[in-house]
Amino acid sequence: NAGVTQTPKFQVLKTGQSMTLQCAQDMNHEYMSWYRQDPGMGLRLIHYSVGAGITDQGEVPNGYNVSRSTTEDFPLRLLSAAPSQTSVYFCASALRGNGYTFGSGTRLTVV
Amino acid sequence: SQELEQSPQSLIVQEGKNLTINCTSSKTLYGLYWYKQKYGEGLIFLMMLQKGGEEKSHEKITAKLDEKKQQSSLHITASQPSHAGIYLCGADAALYNTNAGKSTFGDGTTLTVKP
Repeated sequence: NAGVTQTPKFQVLKTGQSMTLQCAQDMNHEYMSWYRQDPGMGLRLIHYSVGAGITDQGEVPNGYNVSRSTTEDFPLRLLSAAPSQTSVYFCASALRGNGYTFGSGTRLTVV
Repeated sequence: SQELEQSPQSLIVQEGKNLTINCTSSKTLYGLYWYKQKYGEGLIFLMMLQKGGEEKSHEKITAKLDEKKQQSSLHITASQPSHAGIYLCGADAALYNTNAGKSTFGDGTTLTVKP
């Protein structure tokens, strides 16, 4: 049972580049979420999904896109990377009414 | 506005001492999660509280939900260096009976345990 798998673990991008952060879970969880964690800012919700085909914006969605074509996968796309998107990104999943299981994170630097 | 406020922001205790971390919600709280994060790693789920007055324990960590005060407390007894890390409280909006799947977290409390 792999839980929540995030790839890559580390990434350096140049300003303006695009990329996709991958997230997969094998627990058949309905809910999946993407967060960014910055010093002094806590954990902020970017986008979330309550099931395949359903996504919604969180607290800081600008500059990011998501899709949920399957229950297992919830990729996060950075359309045109900016230095302000330098952060640690976490994906998490949960069954309704239960605690979230987190991935190990992706450390992204935009130069 | 921050929905979940944690206090204190940081805490340094001597090994063996007890400590308490608080999490206060700006909305009526139907339930709450507690997580622990070690530096550079993901969050680990500790426990979930769903009913007012509910109390749960995990090893030497006890958490209680005071629904009327919209507050939860996490208490560590006889702290050890292994308890060091960042403790975060969190709530899914489903626990507020709205916007299921939309989660929110406190800013975290950084705990240092001195040997």
